Amino acid sequence: GNSVTQMEGPVTLSEEAFLTINCTYTATGYPSLFWYVQYPGEGLQLLLKATKADDKGSNKGFEATYRKETTSFHLEKGSVQVSDSAVYFCALSSGGSNYKLTFGKGTLLTVNP
Amino acid sequence: NAGVMQNPRHLVRRRGQEARLRCSPMKGHSHVYWYRQLPEEGLKFMVYLQKENIIDESGMPKERFSAEFPKEGPSILRIQQVVRGDSAAYFCASSPPSLAGATDTQYFGPGTRLTVL
Repeated sequence: GNSVTQMEGPVTLSEEAFLTINCTYTATGYPSLFWYVQYPGEGLQLLLKATKADDKGSNKGFEATYRKETTSFHLEKGSVQVSDSAVYFCALSSGGSNYKLTFGKGTLLTVNP
Repeated sequence: NAGVMQNPRHLVRRRGQEARLRCSPMKGHSHVYWYRQLPEEGLKFMVYLQKENIIDESGMPKERFSAEFPKEGPSILRIQQVVRGDSAAYFCASSPPSLAGATDTQYFGPGTRLTVL
């Protein structure tokens, strides 16, 4: 079956530091890959997605590249801000039931001023 | 445009009671999905509904859990005779109608945190 493994948290960084949150996956076929972000008290928001190998998703300074050879979709940002503090979820969908998203456990990021 | 609304945000029930969780999708959205997040776990798909129809309930526990999305009003996730193991965060998501039907581009609500004492 499908599964997503992401970096254990919590992650604590200083403002302007470089961020990497690792995500690897197991899936049948050719999945679509996602990063969702959940700010305190809010619902999950789609941050970025990639639908095929070597695609790069990007949004708000965040990037992730779909690496089929390593089955990875690591999230990166060059310079984090305090407002980036949130929980980040890696997810995938695949197969005929593409609406069934499979999520990782989430990684809590705290950015200190 | 208001986002996906869920209520209550926090719900406390004693063992054996019923829990009713409500989800109002975004305006114009006709597809609703429910996910459950157990402690220390990722979100797990439970059920996919369209108006008045259950399309896929493969992730729903076989007993005590039911879901509906009536023609009028919110979608309801109902848990009868709750047990401590039902304590979790329950998230609802919605998506607009499309030629492709259901979609992986889903908009999530803030979740309902259920605690069973």
